[in-house]
Amino acid sequence: QQQVKQSPQSLIVQKGGISIINCAYENTAFDYFPWYQQFPGKGPALLIAIRPDVSEKKEGRFTISFNKSAKQFSLHIMDSQPGDSATYFCAATLGDQTGANNLFFGTGTRLTVIP
Amino acid sequence: DAGVTQSPTHLIKTRGQQVTLRCSPKSGHDTVSWYQQALGQGPQFIFQYYEEEERQRGNFPDRFSGHQYPNYSSELNVNALLLGDSALYLCASSLMGRVDEQFFGPGTRLTVL
Repeated sequence: QQQVKQSPQSLIVQKGGISIINCAYENTAFDYFPWYQQFPGKGPALLIAIRPDVSEKKEGRFTISFNKSAKQFSLHIMDSQPGDSATYFCAATLGDQTGANNLFFGTGTRLTVIP
Repeated sequence: DAGVTQSPTHLIKTRGQQVTLRCSPKSGHDTVSWYQQALGQGPQFIFQYYEEEERQRGNFPDRFSGHQYPNYSSELNVNALLLGDSALYLCASSLMGRVDEQFFGPGTRLTVL
């Protein structure tokens, strides 16, 4: 089953606007929630990440909001730029006792920023 | 630093054939994970290698196997290819336990005809 659900599937935003992508998870044992940005022909690149002990993390124009009780987290891109046009994936992970871990990815949001 | 490198970039195979994909991790990394990304979908975890052993495995059949060499490079082997195996195969490297510093390669695009 899909461990991490992501919406919307696609998003069109005007330059300078705010892009918001939402994710929800089921497994309360997840302890790390990253967002990845992927351009065509490239592998995903880590954008920003949060652990469940904080409710918000901001890095430049990118902010993660985390709601532990609702099991939801979201990515906000402020002052969206055409160069932000890419596919964004939320993910979640937990490690086992050996330290091994794997990422559970959402289905992705294709963001298009119109000049 | 070249980062994570994968070869080949593209590959076309026919059903029933076998394929080997290769990955060289980022310098200093000792753990390699493989993911399958179908078109329009998020990556799905196949397995993770550390110290030349498979440490974790996702929900993939035994047709998918791997190997890690002493220099930390890794291979992904897929036997008896199916049309549904067509996807972008991503390799990611990190230090064991440091998923927060996991870097992905550009992937190998596999097409099964």
